[in-house]
Parts: sequence; C-alpha cells; structure tokens
Amino acid sequence: AAGVIQSPRHLIKEKRETATLKCYPIPRHDTVYWYQQGPGQDPQFLISFYEKMQSDKGSIPDRFSAQQFSDYHSELNMSSLELGDSALYFCASSADRGTYNEQFFGPGTRLTVL
Amino acid sequence: AQKITQTQPGMFVQEKEAVTLDCTYDTSDQSYGLFWYKQPSSGEMIFLIYQGSYDEQNATEGRYSLNFQKARKSANLVISASQLGDSAMYFCAMRGGTGNQFYFGTGTSLTVIP
Repeated sequence: AAGVIQSPRHLIKEKRETATLKCYPIPRHDTVYWYQQGPGQDPQFLISFYEKMQSDKGSIPDRFSAQQFSDYHSELNMSSLELGDSALYFCASSADRGTYNEQFFGPGTRLTVL
Repeated sequence: AQKITQTQPGMFVQEKEAVTLDCTYDTSDQSYGLFWYKQPSSGEMIFLIYQGSYDEQNATEGRYSLNFQKARKSANLVISASQLGDSAMYFCAMRGGTGNQFYFGTGTSLTVIP
C-alpha cells in the first residue's frame, strides 16, 4: 500500500539559509499535517491543510511557510534557518479531519542546521 | 486545550513479560481519539492502536491493548509478551482541537532486556 512520501530524507543547511521540505500524501487523502520533533522531544504540531486551504496553525515560526498544491502534495518552506530548527520534520496525511481517523506519518525529514 | 501526560520517561521489561505504559489526558472535547505510536531509533512513527472516546470496549491489536478509563482520563498501553524489537520510544497522542491535529505526550522509552 502507498504510504506518505517525504523528501528529502536528510538535509544539511547552514545558518541563515533556506530549506524546502516536500510531502506527498497517501492517494485520496485530502488533509496534510506538519510536525516538528526536536532532539529528545515529542512532535509539535506546526500547520495543517485541508483541501488545499490552511486548516489550522500551531507553533510554526513566522520564518516558516507552507502550502498544499492542487495535487495535494505539500511543501514546508523554511527561511533564515537557525540552529534550533535542527529537528525531524514529519508530514502526516489523513482521509479527512475526523477525530476518529488515524493520521499516517511519513518517514520524516531530518534537518541539520550547522 | 488538549494535554497528554506520560509520567514514565524510561521503562525496562524482561523479554516475554508484559508491560504497561501510562498515559493520562485532559480535554474539554466530548469527542476525541486516543492513539499510541512507536518510534524506533530510526525515527519513523508507527501506529499501534486507537481508542475512540465513545468506544465502550478497550481496543486490542495483537499484543497491544489499550486500558481505557474514561472517568479517570487514562489510556494506558499494555504490551504483552515483550520482544526485543519492542525497544523503542512510545508516544501517546490525542486527536482533537479545531483542526483535529495530534497532541503528543513526552514519550516513554522502553527497553526490553533479554
């Protein structure tokens, strides 16, 4: 069965550079979520999209932006990178926003800022 | 606001024994979902088990069962017959809020001893 695809899997950037993370949800899933998991921490919700519109916003810094495209893939754009942005970034998708539906997580993108 | 509490930073269990990982939650929502995820050292988030707030029976998935006590707001994960491959970080999560995103606990690191 198809799973959530994230690219790249690993990314190394310098401070003040920009980064773009991509997420391809499971086919026919219309909702995408982004989470940030710092070293030794639990995942924190950043932002979500439903039917290509921003659905909810969590603790996403102003330096970050995201969007969902017509084919439902999503991109997380990160500018002016800081050392503290080093983390594992998960994308998750679900068939709808219902409380009872599981979110399927991608393998994550490990971002290292030097 | 939703809050998940996992009070056991680390747990040890003998191979083939059962272990209970604690999780309590706080929410004002009437309808919510509770999930457990396993995160091995490789980083991916693996779905284990789900319990809906209106489900009267405790959820069971193979060696995993969820001890759901709604009045006490607890959703403990029971792993029976532990295996070495069960060594990982375990996150309890609640789905809720305006966008039905996940709220995670701080996780419990489980080590299975041969």
